[in-house]
Amino acid sequence: AQSVAQPEDQVNVAEGNPLTVKCTYSVSGNPYLFWYVQYPNRGLQFLLKYITGDNLVKGSYGFEAEFNKSQTSFHLKKPSALVSDSALYFCAVRDGTNKLIFGTGTLLAVQP
Amino acid sequence: NAGVTQTPKFRILKIGQSMTLQCTQDMNHNYMYWYRQDPGMGLKLIYYSVGAGITDKGEVPNGYNVSRSTTEDFPLRLELAAPSQTSVYFCASSRQSSGNTIYFGEGSWLTVV
Repeated sequence: AQSVAQPEDQVNVAEGNPLTVKCTYSVSGNPYLFWYVQYPNRGLQFLLKYITGDNLVKGSYGFEAEFNKSQTSFHLKKPSALVSDSALYFCAVRDGTNKLIFGTGTLLAVQP
Repeated sequence: NAGVTQTPKFRILKIGQSMTLQCTQDMNHNYMYWYRQDPGMGLKLIYYSVGAGITDKGEVPNGYNVSRSTTEDFPLRLELAAPSQTSVYFCASSRQSSGNTIYFGEGSWLTVV
């Protein structure tokens, strides 16, 4: 069965520092991987996805993610965090029936 | 650019009552989904549909029903509401293939008392 794991419930980082939000996956076949962000009392917003090709994927708001097949990881990164990046981040994998399987989410807190 | 629209945004139900959460999308997407979000649990799939007239159960379908009479609309029905159904509900849609992005509505906050 397809699954996604986000090992950290919360990540704390100072504004201006680089940030990483971790995600590992388990799929049979080619993975289709996604990152979404959720601000308080809002829906999920798409950030970026990996389908095929370049292992470094660039997305919205300066975020990027690195696909690593050998480590089955898809970590979300940003070179310089902003206070406004504080939100709940979800990693997800789309399975063979086109359903999106989500991780449990990681709360990113950026301190000024 | 309406995208995926859900109503109502907030609702309080009494135990045993029924209600329908409405969802409509204007992107001509084949696939539509209903998820629920509970704290620390991520999002769980309730029901999904691959096209008008076709629906299927997700991970947590008990206590819910859906219909898909048109491409645009995918209402979620709660019968005999229970406190365990207190949650945030998200409708979503996408095009058919696995590489396509799934787009979400803004959510419906439901409390059962």
